[in-house]
Formats: sequence, C-alpha cells, structure tokens
Amino acid sequence: EVRLVESGGALIHPGGSLRLSCTSSASTFTDYWMHWVRQAPGKGLVWVADITGKGTSAKYADSVEGRFTISRDNARNTLYLQMNSLGADDTAVYYCVSFRGTADVYTISWGQGTLVTVSS
Amino acid sequence: DIVMTQSPDSLALSLGERATINCRSSQSLFFSENKKNYLAWYQQRPGQPPKLLIYWASNRESGVPDRFRGSGSGTDFTLTISSLQAEDVAVYYCQQFYNTPLTFGGGTRVEI
Repeated sequence: EVRLVESGGALIHPGGSLRLSCTSSASTFTDYWMHWVRQAPGKGLVWVADITGKGTSAKYADSVEGRFTISRDNARNTLYLQMNSLGADDTAVYYCVSFRGTADVYTISWGQGTLVTVSS
Repeated sequence: DIVMTQSPDSLALSLGERATINCRSSQSLFFSENKKNYLAWYQQRPGQPPKLLIYWASNRESGVPDRFRGSGSGTDFTLTISSLQAEDVAVYYCQQFYNTPLTFGGGTRVEI
C-alpha cells in the first residue's frame, strides 16, 4: 500500500501564491502517474493536473492552466503543485492521487488532503 | 473530455436493503489490449478522503467488504451494496481513469 502525505495548505489572500507538497512511500516512485484532485466545500471531486512518472509530461484543467504548475522530485519521492494568482474559486481540499497498473492489479492511492482557503 | 453521469443523486434506504448506483460514461472505458474497463468507485464519508472500493469496474480493493460489487462494461456501470449497513452512509463517486483529464460522476448520497 502506498501512503501519500500532503502539506502546504493555508489561508491565503486573493492573488497570492502557495506551493503544495505530497510525499509518497512508494519504493519506486517513478512507476506512479501522479495527480492533484480538489474538492471545494460541499462539492464534488475535480481533477486539477497530472504528471507522468519521469516528469516529462504534464496536463492541466482549463481552470488552472497558466496559473498552476505540477512537478515532481523523484529523488525525494515528492510531488508539488505551485499555485499562483489564487482566487476564491481555488478554495478547496487538495488531494494527491497516485495510479499504477500492472497486468493483475491497479493501485490507486489518495492522500488525506490539504486545505487551501483563499480569502481576504 | 469523458463525461461521467451518475444516478440517482441520492438514495434513502433501510438497513439490510440493496443499494444500486448507476454510472454512465460518454465514451467507452474498455481498453481492448488488456480487456479492462478503466472505471473506479469510491466511498467518501464526511471529512475524509475518498476511499477506493472498486477498480477496473469489478475488482474489489483489498479489505473492502464483499457486499460491495461493481459490474458493467463499455459505457454503463453499476455499484451494488447488497445489504446496507450503518457504516455505508456516505457519498459514492464513479471515476474514469481511461484518459486525462480524469473525470468523476457527480456523486450519489446514500442515507439510512
């Protein structure tokens, strides 16, 4: 079982920046396709961004494209989300999620989440 | 983007009753190379992260009670809770992981 631990959530003013981190217990972190998913208070789950195992390719939701950057440090087993120009609509719990498939089993793991509140 | 449509929005049942939640995708989630459907089901209790119940549409995650069963293929999927227990009160989500962006159903709230 892979354990994911997020950190970095905070109360931030509109227009501010924040960097989230997610540390994985996986023995071979590069095997994992990593994502950020967020959930606004009382709402559903929304994908934010993803990055391939080696970090060579990343994709973003339209709502965060150009403002957020996903990255990973495979030597530290850590995933990041740099968030700039934050607005009230970015208020949410942010979850780190990992995916890994083999022929016989697919492993999907979620962190506990970290809360980002954007408010003046 | 693949659109995931869940029904019903909410379900109120008695203890021991069967719960059935449906999920439809706007395109097939069946990957012909390995004959798997890239559909997952999650349970989310208040204040907690989503918990994986089912992956590949019908594979139960380790430790998940066998009253939870996933079925379906292609674009139509079902999560069945055979005998509802008090601890099953939660919101249930389907999710496709066939491609990016990952997309989720809107959720089904199950109440006793």
